[in-house]
Amino acid sequence: KQEVTQIPAALSVPEGENLVLNCSFTDSAIYNLQWFRQDPGKGLTSLLLIQSSQREQTSGRLNASLDKSSGRSTLYIAASQPGDSATYLCAVSPVTDKLIFGTGTRLQVFP
Amino acid sequence: AAGVIQSPRHLIKEKRETATLKCYPIPRHDTVYWYQQGPGQDPQFLISFYEKMQSDKGSIPDRFSAQQFSDYHSELNMSSLELGDSALYFCASSSGRNSNQPQHFGDGTRLSIL
Repeated sequence: KQEVTQIPAALSVPEGENLVLNCSFTDSAIYNLQWFRQDPGKGLTSLLLIQSSQREQTSGRLNASLDKSSGRSTLYIAASQPGDSATYLCAVSPVTDKLIFGTGTRLQVFP
Repeated sequence: AAGVIQSPRHLIKEKRETATLKCYPIPRHDTVYWYQQGPGQDPQFLISFYEKMQSDKGSIPDRFSAQQFSDYHSELNMSSLELGDSALYFCASSSGRNSNQPQHFGDGTRLSIL
């Protein structure tokens, strides 16, 4: 059974820091991996999708990497801002389309 | 750009009542997914549809049923509601099945059972 874990569970940093959020999964047979952000009581906003054949994806200040063989992905946030405060979720897609979510990292960036 | 629309945004029901949640996918998206997120939990996959046919099934109780209509919108029907059904219910849509396209989520329906 696929299990997805995210470390750390919570993170509080001052504005301007570069951050690394970690995601690990137990079964390397995935189709793709997607990173989301979720604001309190809100829906999930898709940030990046990495296909199983890819190593990384970039969007603005965000960079996500994937090492499928070791079951790991990282989300790198450069020059963090208070507006980045949210819960970040990684999710893997096995051979079917459904997403299996990680436990999330709650990020707080203070001015 | 148009997003996934869910209605209602909030719903309050009592135990043993029924509820219907609606989802309108992004135009030209043919795949719809339903997820349930309990308080402090990560979203759990319930069921998905591709081209109006059920494509995958997760931890959806027998009391729940869903379908996708000819215009691709989807409805999640919930009966004999229980206190434990209180959660945020998300719908997501994507283009094509196994197409490596991202799933786009709606803002969810918050269901509270009294």
